[in-house]
Amino acid sequence: SQTIHQWPATLVQPVGSPLSLECTVEGTSNPNLYWYRQAAGRGLQLLFYSVGIGQISSEVPQNLSASRPQDRQFILSSKKLLLSDSGFYLCAWRGDLTWGEGFYGYTFGSGTRLTVV
Amino acid sequence: GQQLNQSPQSMFIQEGEDVSMNCTSSSIFNTWLWYKQDPGEGPVLLIALYKAGELTSNGRLTAQFGITRKDSFLNISASIPSDVGIYFCAGPAGNNRKLIWGLGTSLAVNP
Repeated sequence: SQTIHQWPATLVQPVGSPLSLECTVEGTSNPNLYWYRQAAGRGLQLLFYSVGIGQISSEVPQNLSASRPQDRQFILSSKKLLLSDSGFYLCAWRGDLTWGEGFYGYTFGSGTRLTVV
Repeated sequence: GQQLNQSPQSMFIQEGEDVSMNCTSSSIFNTWLWYKQDPGEGPVLLIALYKAGELTSNGRLTAQFGITRKDSFLNISASIPSDVGIYFCAGPAGNNRKLIWGLGTSLAVNP
């Protein structure tokens, strides 16, 4: 079965410090991978997605970057965090959860709560 | 661009009551997805709808794909405390590699 791992669960970082969040998927190959941010418990904002190794699509210009060094690894980074980078970061992969034919739903990780102080 | 309008924004109900929420779009979708997010967790897929007019159930949850393909409804019958959370609707963007999300309906259940 497929599983998605995201860590750390909670992170408190000072303004100006670097960031690295990691997400890995097991039990599948060549998944589509996604990074989302959620502020104040509402609204999922797509930050980046990747359809393959080294392929990154950026949705929102910001202080963050993403990389996919391996097929099932997706990393979210920042060189210098801002206060506005605080939020709940979610990694997801496009899987095969279907009740029938058609589009496949996403499976989300358990998230990282980032607080920039 | 495509947007999903989800309503109501929040609901406060008594345990045992039925709940209804909906999602509308200005453009047509070929798939509607309903997710639930428990506090501090990632969203979990509840129901996926693939055909206009389709009515699908998952336990006490029932969702419908609107005939116009521009809306979808989620109903929860006989609510219980563990139904608390945020419910999101979502639909695939043009190339099916991304999802468009509603802003969510926050549900609180008084035991």
